[in-house]
Amino acid sequence: EVQLAESGGGLVQPGGSLRLSCATSGFTFSDHYIDWVRQAPGKGLEWVSRTRNKTKGYTTEYAASVKGRFTISRDASENSLYLQMNSLKTEDTAVYYCARVRWAQGSSSCDYWGQGTLVTVSS
Amino acid sequence: DIQLTQSPSFLSASVGDRVTITCRASQGISSILAWYQQKSGKAPKLLIYAASTLQSGVPSRFSGSGSGTEFTLTISSLQPEDFATYYCQQLNSFPLTFGGGTKVEIK
Repeated sequence: EVQLAESGGGLVQPGGSLRLSCATSGFTFSDHYIDWVRQAPGKGLEWVSRTRNKTKGYTTEYAASVKGRFTISRDASENSLYLQMNSLKTEDTAVYYCARVRWAQGSSSCDYWGQGTLVTVSS
Repeated sequence: DIQLTQSPSFLSASVGDRVTITCRASQGISSILAWYQQKSGKAPKLLIYAASTLQSGVPSRFSGSGSGTEFTLTISSLQPEDFATYYCQQLNSFPLTFGGGTKVEIK
């Protein structure tokens, strides 16, 4: 069974740092791209970052709103994904989801999601 | 960036109704679009990928169509468990973007 589970959320002051983790199981971690997606309270979904698979050299992409502040990474030995968040702003307050990316029919989509972890940036 | 405009943003409907949600892209994205359902306090769930392909396990009352810049999600006969918020997402180019969402509520 494919599973993803986020952890590491919490309350942090503006300018602070936090590292989110996403533990995965039930699939070959190195074969899949994985995304981070966030949702501010009462708002819609916002794509944050992507890490590609081993074949693609684990290359990464970021939304402009987080580029230079957030870093996505993997630990293949732990089948885990991370999101290092630095220089946090109040507008980064959101539930953060990790999601497995699946390619089919020439299109990608997020077919499995974690339950999310809440990050609150406030003084 | 590719903007996705969903309409309507809010929809009130009854059980058994046929419901259609539209997603318009600011530029062509071929068929590289997905639809998700999100219930309150839960993670999104994939319904449709590649604009019109039903995800495994999703009821056949859900269908998607379109290509280029205009896409639709249709629920042929709304069921009580379908009351939720629906999002489209383009995965054609970075940054990946979502539509603003359509909340479907009980009339």
